Parts: sequence; structure tokens; C-alpha cells
Amino acid sequence: GEDVEQSLFLSVREGDSSVINCTYTDSSSTYLYWYKQEPGAGLQLLTYIFSNMDMKQDQRLTVLLNKKDKHLSLRIADTQTGDSAIYFCAAWFSGGYNKLIFGAGTRLAVHP
Amino acid sequence: NAGVTQTPKFQVLKTGQSMTLQCAQDMNHEYMSWYRQDPGMGLRLIHYSVGAGITDQGEVPNGYNVSRSTTEDFPLRLLSAAPSQTSVYFCASSERANEKLFFGSGTQLSVL
Repeated sequence: GEDVEQSLFLSVREGDSSVINCTYTDSSSTYLYWYKQEPGAGLQLLTYIFSNMDMKQDQRLTVLLNKKDKHLSLRIADTQTGDSAIYFCAAWFSGGYNKLIFGAGTRLAVHP
Repeated sequence: NAGVTQTPKFQVLKTGQSMTLQCAQDMNHEYMSWYRQDPGMGLRLIHYSVGAGITDQGEVPNGYNVSRSTTEDFPLRLLSAAPSQTSVYFCASSERANEKLFFGSGTQLSVL
């Protein structure tokens, strides 16, 4: 079936690296996405990776894709309190109809 | 720089009332969609549209209607509101399916 799964909670110390993991099933997605949601706000596209790539780096963000294991991860270097938010991974599925399916979201808490 | 605009931001309804959530985008996007967000369940797709005059159901369409008479607008109608429809609703659009999805700021709906 079509599914995207993530762990629900991650707590890190300010300045450390955060790694948020995601697995997905049978996606035909050309791109895989990471969205960020701050309290009371909508979803903001954080970064994305082309499905034929293994890694993408964008300043403090590193996305790793293991297509064989259908595993996606987001690493945030030097995590700051402003990074506290919910992070969603998402992939397009086209079985029956085109839809972008989201994981349940990982709540990242950054403490001093 | 309007992007995706949703109105209203907050709404309280009584059970059985009907209402329309408005969504408009100014990016000439073909694909538009409605999601609802509930705690611990991530985002679930309600309805989507791949172009003017074309709509289709998502994962949780019951109790909702949509229409797409123009490229810009994609209203979501609640026919007879129920407490189970208490949620945060997000409209989103992309240039086409399988592309980056951009979100509005959301409508928080409470049905009493």
C-alpha cells in the first residue's frame, strides 16, 4: 500500500545535529520532500531531493535517500531553538490517483 | 506575492450547518488540493483537482464537496457539519501533480 512513516518525536541539545528519519512504500515520486510546520502556521517546503539522487546538501540541511531501502533522512547541523517545529516527509503516489502523502510528522524539540 | 490564500482563518459552526472554505492561488497552478490535519494523524487528502473542471476524491472525501470552475479558485464545501469535521484545513497547489506543493496558512474549524 501507499504509506509514509516517521518517528513522532525527537529531542536534541542546541548545537547538536538532528536526524529525522522517514520510510515510504512503492512511491513513484520524482521528488521526495521535507516540510516544516511551526506552531499555528501552515506547511513550508524546507527542501527536497530528486529520486535519482543519493544526497542533497543545502546549508545546514542534508537529505539522504536510500532508494533500495525506501529510506529518507533529514539532517540538521548545529540545531538551533528556531528549528523547533514539526517536520513532515512526503512523497507522491500515483496508484489510482495522484496524491502527495505525508508522514505523521516528527516533532523536534531543541533544548539548551 | 500572495501565493495560496485561504479564508477564513477561524470558524465555529454548529452541527448541521453548512459553509464554504475559500482557497485561491495566483500562480496559475494546475493542481490544487485540500487536506485536513488532525493531531497524530498527519495530513489527509480530502479532494484534489488537476485542472479547471476536473476534481477527484482523496482519502477522506465524505461530507465534503469541491468544484473548480476557474484555475485560481478551489472552494471546499461542508454540506452538513459534524463534530468529526473539527480540524485544521489546508489548501495547497502545485504547477502540476508530482511537483512541489505550496500551502495556504490554514483554516481552523470547530464544529460544536
